[in-house]
Amino acid sequence: DTAVSQTPKYLVTQMGNDKSIKCEQNLGHDTMYWYKQDSKKFLKIMFSYNNKELIINETVPNRFSPKSPDKAHLNLHINSLELGDSAVYFCASSHHSTRVGAYEQYFGPGTRLTVT
Amino acid sequence: DQQVKQNSPSLSVQEGRISILNCDYTNSMFDYFLWYKKYPAEGPTFLISISSIKDKNEDGRFTVFLNKSAKHLSLHIVPSQPGDSAVYFCAAAEGNEKLTFGTGTRLTIIP
Repeated sequence: DTAVSQTPKYLVTQMGNDKSIKCEQNLGHDTMYWYKQDSKKFLKIMFSYNNKELIINETVPNRFSPKSPDKAHLNLHINSLELGDSAVYFCASSHHSTRVGAYEQYFGPGTRLTVT
Repeated sequence: DQQVKQNSPSLSVQEGRISILNCDYTNSMFDYFLWYKKYPAEGPTFLISISSIKDKNEDGRFTVFLNKSAKHLSLHIVPSQPGDSAVYFCAAAEGNEKLTFGTGTRLTIIP
């Protein structure tokens, strides 16, 4: 039974298109995250939501819009895709109740986005 | 500005020997450190952590050492097993739930 799942696993699309990546966690966590791992393997946080409220919003183009319909889901919508958006996107979740719990994050398997 | 650095992109170790993975950081405000392990086509999984008030934390075959004055931490795996072959990421935090990750070290355990 997958704890943090993402769909799709692979996404190939053309520049200018709009796409969404979905994430669901069944761990009962109250905080969810989106990370981007680029070609240089840097894993960087993009957004964090706690109880559907945005708490971390790094310097990310506003073409990226996260949406959290409930505590178990955090979707990522990307408008007007660019070549530089090609990366692996990871969703993660954690408990916010303690600081240490917030750091021990559970990651999904990743979505490899390729923009051509 | 890369605040967490893992200068060795890869490391090969004989099975049964000790694996030592290193991580350096530049931000003196970091006060909590973690190691994550990643297999291909999977997301990172939490391995072990250490608070800055400690200099060592041990969990089975895994031990993390923290040297605050040198801004350096290391992960020791003893004895190394084939299943330990993976990419290991060092991460650090300064209290706002944001983790800053290194670029990872690929560990290969040679049978």
